[in-house]
Amino acid sequence: SAVISQKPSRDICQRGTSLTIQCQVDSQVTMMFWYRQQPGQSLTLIATANQGSEATYESGFVIDKFPISRPNLTFSTLTVSNMSPEDSSIYLCSVGSRTGGVTDTQYFGPGTRLTVL
Amino acid sequence: AQSVTQLDSHVSVSEGTPVLLRCNYSSSYSPSLFWYVQHPNKGLQLLLKYTSAATLVKGINGFEAEFKKSETSFHLTKPSAHMSDAAEYFCVLLSGGYNKLIFGAGTRLAVHP
Repeated sequence: SAVISQKPSRDICQRGTSLTIQCQVDSQVTMMFWYRQQPGQSLTLIATANQGSEATYESGFVIDKFPISRPNLTFSTLTVSNMSPEDSSIYLCSVGSRTGGVTDTQYFGPGTRLTVL
Repeated sequence: AQSVTQLDSHVSVSEGTPVLLRCNYSSSYSPSLFWYVQHPNKGLQLLLKYTSAATLVKGINGFEAEFKKSETSFHLTKPSAHMSDAAEYFCVLLSGGYNKLIFGAGTRLAVHP
């Protein structure tokens, strides 16, 4: 499995500001994903980060609020823009492994715990 | 529609007793199913996965799960709980053809001495 790191591990931010979260993988991967885990909740997929093209966003998430970059096959960033206390969550990136050409298993980074005051 | 239902939000067991965490799924496709564990303030760790091979899947730390198509279930078990097993467990379905994971609501496992 890939080794995934995220920066920062946690942050406390003021409302109205933006935070960029970095996700680094120790090997080249095709599929990278960003998830949100609100307090006491399960994980929800925000978007799929595609190398060389725009990210694909899930229903309820928009690019203006959560811009994503994927400059190469080992790195991605997620920005949480114009933050409000409702954005306080753990943000996790994951990468997909491929078996026989199909991505099946996803491995997760340690997460970024964001608190917005 | 594809979905995952974890039947218990909290499970409490005594150390050394068996663990059963229940999961039912709904899928139009032949499913790929996973169990992940999340320890406090940690990321998600893959416990085991089912991808249409053997129906009884063995994972890490003594956990195993059995895929039962007739019951649309994928329950997670462990013969003897350890204090270190206390964590949140997620049953997850891979959405057919889209690489999208569908998470259950999670089951918090407490292990008492």
